[in-house]
Amino acid sequence: EAGVAQSPRYKIIEKRQSVAFWCNPISGHATLYWYQQILGQGPKLLIQFQNNGVVDDSQLPKDRFSAERLKGVDSTLKIQPAKLEDSAVYLCASSPPQGGYNEQFFGPGTRLTVL
Amino acid sequence: KQEVTQIPAALSVPEGENLVLNCSFTDSAIYNLQWFRQDPGKGLTSLLLIQSSQREQTSGRLNASLDKSSGRSTLYIAASQPGDSATYLCAPRGSGGSNYKLTFGKGTLLTVNP
Repeated sequence: EAGVAQSPRYKIIEKRQSVAFWCNPISGHATLYWYQQILGQGPKLLIQFQNNGVVDDSQLPKDRFSAERLKGVDSTLKIQPAKLEDSAVYLCASSPPQGGYNEQFFGPGTRLTVL
Repeated sequence: KQEVTQIPAALSVPEGENLVLNCSFTDSAIYNLQWFRQDPGKGLTSLLLIQSSQREQTSGRLNASLDKSSGRSTLYIAASQPGDSATYLCAPRGSGGSNYKLTFGKGTLLTVNP
């Protein structure tokens, strides 16, 4: 079974530029999550989708971050404009169709550096 | 708001030693708790998931216990190997309403020396 796929793996941009990350969850997984992990910290949930609907985006900085999952499969997370403090690893995870209470499976992450 | 503390922050042991990693959480109203490992530059790998009704879960050399009422979980690693070197994260999941998400600790950085 293929795991959660993410791209790109690394991205370096200057502040005020835009960036987008892509995630393809495990086939058949209805729930998709985006996390931000700052160096030395545990991951923090940014947004959770159930199919193509948003379940929780309470910790997403909506003035600069946006995410979509139009067909209920893959997802894109965008930052516009980026700030220095956005430097982090962005992790995507998915859970099986039984709902958000099941085990989460993580992708390799995208390491973003904002200069 | 759930807060998760992991002790110790870092641990260095010789190969073959048995060890215990500790996790404490402030809100005992959890649905389950998951332990992950994270290798440098990689994503998270799920190790064990314990439901709130369970006391422990075992997988190979790993054993995780849960004491929900006291807000504690431990991860026991038997006969440690250099390949066990990684950061270990615990994450309780809230039981519903507005608190159903995973909350992560900062992790314990484990180094197993040959």
